[in-house]
Amino acid sequence: AQSVTQPDIHITVSEGASLELRCNYSYGATPYLFWYVQSPGQGLQLLLKYFSGDTLVQGIKGFEAEFKRSQSSFNLRKPSVHWSDAAEYFCAVGSNSGYALNFGKGTSLLVTP
Amino acid sequence: EADIYQTPRYLVIGTGKKITLECSQTMGHDKMYWYQQDPGMELHLIHYSYGVNSTEKGDLSSESTVSRIRTEHFPLTLESARPSHTSQYLCASRLGGAETQYFGPGTRLLVL
Repeated sequence: AQSVTQPDIHITVSEGASLELRCNYSYGATPYLFWYVQSPGQGLQLLLKYFSGDTLVQGIKGFEAEFKRSQSSFNLRKPSVHWSDAAEYFCAVGSNSGYALNFGKGTSLLVTP
Repeated sequence: EADIYQTPRYLVIGTGKKITLECSQTMGHDKMYWYQQDPGMELHLIHYSYGVNSTEKGDLSSESTVSRIRTEHFPLTLESARPSHTSQYLCASRLGGAETQYFGPGTRLLVL
């Protein structure tokens, strides 16, 4: 079965510093991979997705992610974090249940001045 | 911007009451989903639908039921709410197998 692991429950970075959020997946075939962001009290907004092709994908808000098949990873990066990036970040992989998504437990990002 | 709506956004209700959480999308998507999310936890799929008159249970067992009479509408019903149903419920939709899944803003349910 497909699964997603986000090893970091909480991450704190200073504003302007670089960011990397880790995501590892377990999937038999080529996965569909997603990163979503959730602000408090809100639904999920798609940051970026990988289906095939170029393994470095660009998303909204200056985020990017790199698919590494050999490491079963899909880490999210941003070169310079803004205070408005503080939120919960979820990595997800497409599942067999009606094309739903399997989510990781999320990483909570805190941005300090 | 995704056009998927959920009402109510917040609901506080007593044990034993029947409730229906509404979800509508105006994008013509055939596939729709309900996820349950507890604070600080991942989302768990509780129901999904491939299209009109199609409903399936998800990976997480739930006492709720769903219906899909119209493409745009996918309501979730709890016949008798209990405190264990307290959670956030997120509705989502997508057009095809390899397309983006869009989420509504969620309904936060508190059962006293």
